[in-house]
Amino acid sequence: RKEVEQDPGPFNVPEGATVAFNCTYSNSASQSFFWYRQDCRKEPKLLMSVYSSGNEDGRFTAQLNRASQYISLLIRDSKLSDSATYLCVVMMNTGFQKLVFGTGTRLLVSP
Amino acid sequence: SAVISQKPSRDICQRGTSLTIQCQVDSQVTMMFWYRQQPGQSLTLIATANQGSEATYESGFVIDKFPISRPNLTFSTLTVSNMSPEDSSIYLCSVDDDNTGELFFGEGSRLTVL
Repeated sequence: RKEVEQDPGPFNVPEGATVAFNCTYSNSASQSFFWYRQDCRKEPKLLMSVYSSGNEDGRFTAQLNRASQYISLLIRDSKLSDSATYLCVVMMNTGFQKLVFGTGTRLLVSP
Repeated sequence: SAVISQKPSRDICQRGTSLTIQCQVDSQVTMMFWYRQQPGQSLTLIATANQGSEATYESGFVIDKFPISRPNLTFSTLTVSNMSPEDSSIYLCSVDDDNTGELFFGEGSRLTVL
């Protein structure tokens, strides 16, 4: 089983749609969780951290389910500019802290 | 936040040659990280570079293939040695925010080996 697993997509949605991505992780001792965004041919950039109680930043909502070992990202009212690859990142605690990246979920928002 | 400059941004190299990628940060940082992102794959940590000590390599990566220098707190280099087409990838330099854990990346160096 991969340490961090994501559906690669692509998710094709029209502008204004709501879309959700899930990500599962294998290490139950994982402590910190993040969503990064990577535009085509660009470096990844932090979109948001994921807190235990769930958190929201504008149109973006992140949630953590420790019991089932998954995190989610919800994007409401999709914009064309949301088209990108969304990387799930988990900080694993395997004796030392290590960030593990998922392969990313590609989102395409069309007019 | 940190501003990270990498060069070269891209290069095309012949099999068997070596390429050194440079990474410059606009502030002093304790650790610098080198990642590889192969086409369609996730970012994979190659090694962590600390100033004044040898780099710590992840499983599957060795110093002979990916020698790293860290001469000061703002600069690091990664060399990809004796390249083969399988080394074609994007190589990314990264630093983290000590308080938040956020990673900041350079723009990456896209390497193509013929």
